[in-house]
Amino acid sequence: QVLLVQSGAEVKKPGSSLKVSCQASGGSFTFFAFNWVRQAPGQGLEWMGRIVPSLSSTIYAQAFHGRLTITADDSTNTVYMELSSLTFEDTAVYYCARYTTTSYAFDSWGQGTLVTVSS
Amino acid sequence: EIALTQSPGTLSLSPGERASLSCRASQIVSATYLAWYQQKPGQPPRLLIYGASTRATGIPDRFSGSGSGTDFTLTISRLEPEDFAVYYCQQYDSSPFFGGGTKVELK
Repeated sequence: QVLLVQSGAEVKKPGSSLKVSCQASGGSFTFFAFNWVRQAPGQGLEWMGRIVPSLSSTIYAQAFHGRLTITADDSTNTVYMELSSLTFEDTAVYYCARYTTTSYAFDSWGQGTLVTVSS
Repeated sequence: EIALTQSPGTLSLSPGERASLSCRASQIVSATYLAWYQQKPGQPPRLLIYGASTRATGIPDRFSGSGSGTDFTLTISRLEPEDFAVYYCQQYDSSPFFGGGTKVELK
């Protein structure tokens, strides 16, 4: 497993953009897929997209196409999630999670970042 | 996209009882890509079961997973106080998708 540490809570205005970071330590970085999952208040888990840093390969859920960008910085073992054109419905806890082909599942999760979209 | 439907939405049980949680897929899912997670309030999800039936590291043997095709089950043989939580199934066979969750609550 790896320790994933995310950036802190944020309050954003509607129409603005959000960038959340997720730094990995204690394990390999480049050869795994790092995913972003969000959870609206009182709701379930929604997969947003993922990146494989070694390939700079990204896949996004259709619901976020056009306003989601996931990037990675190999030099700091950090993955970033940027979401634009925020609406009130983007209020949620955002998690990063590592996907491994050992289990074909998300074996490590960040602590979560609460994002509140408010005018 | 392969959707997952979990049932029941809420399960009200007492410590020591057996819990059986269902996860049904809209299309056949390879068992290799079916996982279960536990989530407690204010915490991220924790991987319980992967490959439909393999317990993750440190998961007690009262948790077991089974199933194939479109029907999968998570069973908790005897509920402990710390097991009251929300449980999610997930498939990674195609675009990853989580089920809506089953809340196991204290009766």
